[in-house]
Amino acid sequence: AQSVAQPEDQVNVAEGNPLTVKCTYSVSGNPYLFWYVQYPNRGLQFLLKYITGDNLVKGSYGFEAEFNKSQTSFHLKKPSALVSDSALYFCAVREGDYGGSQGNLIFGKGTKLSVKP
Amino acid sequence: DAGVIQSPRHEVTEMGQEVTLRCKPISGHNSLFWYRQTMMRGLELLIYFNNNVPIDDSGMPEDRFSAKMPNASFSTLKIQPSEPRDSAVYFCASGKDRANSPLHFGNGTRLTVT
Repeated sequence: AQSVAQPEDQVNVAEGNPLTVKCTYSVSGNPYLFWYVQYPNRGLQFLLKYITGDNLVKGSYGFEAEFNKSQTSFHLKKPSALVSDSALYFCAVREGDYGGSQGNLIFGKGTKLSVKP
Repeated sequence: DAGVIQSPRHEVTEMGQEVTLRCKPISGHNSLFWYRQTMMRGLELLIYFNNNVPIDDSGMPEDRFSAKMPNASFSTLKIQPSEPRDSAVYFCASGKDRANSPLHFGNGTRLTVT
């Protein structure tokens, strides 16, 4: 069965410092990995995805994520945090079969990122 | 592109009443998902459709919940009768029918059952 773990309920960072939001996953086949951000009273917004290829993927708003197959991790990173990055971040996984149809996207429980000025 | 449109944004109803949530997916997307979000349980998949056909409804809590997708541009989630424990934010999301395609979420319907 597929699963996603976000071990931190909350991450606190000072503005201008680098940030990392952790995610580990479990799938039996090849993983398709996604990060989403949720601002208050809004739906989830897609940030970036890993399908195949380079382990470092870049996404919206200066975010990037590194895929590590041996550690089954897909941590979200940003070199310099902004106060406006404060939000709820979700990691998600789907087992990929390179051309197959949509299946269920399994979400982690979310990590609240708080960036202080 | 207007994105995924959900209505209403807020719904307050009394226990026992019927509630209908509506969703218009992004044009050209042929997968549609209904999720429920609560503080206690996080994001839970209720049901998803591919090409208007329900594929997995194992997340639907019980027979009080039903979902339909009569055409590619409209879906409903109905709760009858509603109970206080149904209070949550309900999200609709759509995507292209490819495993590597991200989902696009609406802004949700906040349901409060008193």
